Formats: sequence, C-alpha cells, structure tokens
Amino acid sequence: QKEVEQNSGPLSVPEGAIASLNCTYSDRGSQSFFWYRQYSGKSPELIMFIYSNGDKEDGRFTAQLNKASQYVSLLIRDSQPSDSATYLCAGTTAGNKLTFGGGTRVLVKP
Amino acid sequence: KAGVTQTPRYLIKTRGQQVTLSCSPISGHRSVSWYQQTPGQGLQFLFEYFSETQRNKGNFPGRFSGRQFSNSRSEMNVSTLELGDSALYLCASSPGPPTETQYFGPGTRLLVL
Repeated sequence: QKEVEQNSGPLSVPEGAIASLNCTYSDRGSQSFFWYRQYSGKSPELIMFIYSNGDKEDGRFTAQLNKASQYVSLLIRDSQPSDSATYLCAGTTAGNKLTFGGGTRVLVKP
Repeated sequence: KAGVTQTPRYLIKTRGQQVTLSCSPISGHRSVSWYQQTPGQGLQFLFEYFSETQRNKGNFPGRFSGRQFSNSRSEMNVSTLELGDSALYLCASSPGPPTETQYFGPGTRLLVL
C-alpha cells in the first residue's frame, strides 16, 4: 500500500463547475498535508497546506482534512481552463519525510 | 526574495557517465530536499539536507549522493548513469524541517542516452 494515494484521473469537469480531488494516507501519525499544482513540463507550485481537521479556504480552493478517516481533499470552485493541471497531494510520514501521491490530472473543459 | 534556482536546466549524458546537479535554496531556508520525477513513478524522494547534514534518504542506490554547503546550497551527484536515470530532478527548500512548506525549483531535466 502506498503511503499517500490519489486517483490518477483524468478528472474532467466543465468550466464553472466544482472539481473535487481526494487523497488518502496510511500513516496515522501524519500531521501536515499539502496540495501542489503542476502544469505539464513545470515544477510543482504550492496551492495550500492544512494541519488541522476541518476545512481551510483560500480563494477558490478549499482543503478538507479528516484525520480519523485518513483523507484529505481539495475542492476547486468555479473551475477555469487554467486549472487544468496535475494536482499532487503530500503528507508528512514516518521519519519526518514529505511523501507525495501520484497526482490527479484535472481537465477543465470550456 | 528570489526563488529556488537549479542548474543546469537541461542535461544530456551517456550511460556510464556521472553528473552533478546544483540547487540554491530561497535565502534563509536551511532545508533542501531532492526528488526524482518520472512519468511512471511520479515524484520520489531522494534525500534531504538540513544544516549540512543528511537527515533523510529515500530508496535509491548508492550511485545517488548529495551534500549541502554552509551557505545551504546543495548538490546531488549521480555516478555511472543508467538509462533509467532519465528524469526531472527537483530541488525544494523550506525554512526549517522538510515538514514545513517546501518550495520547488524549476528542475533539471536529465536525459541519459
């Protein structure tokens, strides 16, 4: 079992809709979680991080963390074609390392 | 503040050669982590340095090594290159431990022929 898992997609959403991305993790000791966006051929860029259970909102993005169920999610509201990218979920795992999931490819169709 | 910089940006080598990649973290950041990204394996952790000490290492063979200098700049070296080493090598820096937010450089794309 991978430490951080994501559905590879592609997740196809119409422009203006909400894109919902999920990520599960196996290490119950994981404390911090991060969402990165990566455009093709570019390096990952941080969208947001979340440490506490519940929701955290930043603009059109909302991260949700549920430590009891060991999942993290990212909602993208009012999706735009420019949101088309691969979204990487990462969490701290045993040994104080940051472990990345395989990424979910999102396609926003005009 | 300037972001994380990596040099060179592109590199072509042949099997058996060695390569050294360089990373300059964001000013004031003390932790540097290295990752290998390939289409098949995704983003895989190589190693992490904090204050010139390697604190974590991923599951890569001993051909992969690194170091960090007193100014926090870091280098990674790959010896005896194999075709499978072709990848995007990413460096990320964070202010303190790697569990803090990491900021990525543009990467070095290595092609091994």
